[in-house]
Amino acid sequence: RKEVEQDPGPFNVPEGATVAFNCTYSNSASQSFFWYRQDCRKEPKLLMSVYSSGNEDGRFTAQLNRASQYISLLIRDSKLSDSATYLCAVNLFGNEKLTFGTGTRLTIIP
Amino acid sequence: DTGVSQDPRHKITKRGQNVTFRCDPISEHNRLYWYRQTLGQGPEFLTYFQNEAQLEKSRLLSDRFSAERPKGSFSTLEIQRTEQGDSAMYLCASSLGFGSGGYTFGSGTRLTVV
Repeated sequence: RKEVEQDPGPFNVPEGATVAFNCTYSNSASQSFFWYRQDCRKEPKLLMSVYSSGNEDGRFTAQLNRASQYISLLIRDSKLSDSATYLCAVNLFGNEKLTFGTGTRLTIIP
Repeated sequence: DTGVSQDPRHKITKRGQNVTFRCDPISEHNRLYWYRQTLGQGPEFLTYFQNEAQLEKSRLLSDRFSAERPKGSFSTLEIQRTEQGDSAMYLCASSLGFGSGGYTFGSGTRLTVV
C-alpha cells in the first residue's frame, strides 16, 4: 500500500460547483498534513496546512480525520483559476521529510 | 530574496554525461530538500539538509547522485553518468521546519537525458 494515496482524477467540474478530494495515508504516526496546488509544468505551491480541528481559507476548507486516516479538501464556488493538480503531503512525527500523493487533477469547466 | 531559486531551469544532456544543479534557498531557511518529480507523479524525496549537514537520503539516491550544502546556504545536486531514467523535474525546497508550515519550492530544473 502506498504511504499517501489520492484519486488521480481528472475531476471535470462546472464553474461555481463545489468539489471535494480525499487523500488517505497509511502511517498512523503521521503528524503534519498539507495541501499543495501545482499548475502545469510549475512547482507545487502550499495551499494550506491541515489542522486537527479543520481549517478554512476563503473558499477552501481542509479537514483531518485521524480515525480513518484521511485528509480532505473542499473547494466551494469553484473558479476557472482553480484548475490545477492538488497534491496532499504528509510527514511523520520527528521526520522532516514530506511524502506526497500523486495528485488529483481538477479542471473547472466554464 | 523573494523565494527559492534554482539553476538552470532546463538541461538537456547526453546519456553518460554528468550534470550539476544549483539551489539557493530562502536566506533565513536552515532546511533544504531535494525532490524529483516525473510526469503524473507527486514529488519524491531525495535528500534533506539541516544547515550543512545531510541528515537523510532516500534509497532513490543511487551512488550516481550526490548532494552538498557546503556552507549551509546554497546546495548542489550532481548526477554522474546520467541515464534516460534520470529525466525528470528536480525540485528544491526550503523551510524553517514544520512548526512554521510546509515547504517553499523553487521552480525546478527540468532534466532531459537523450
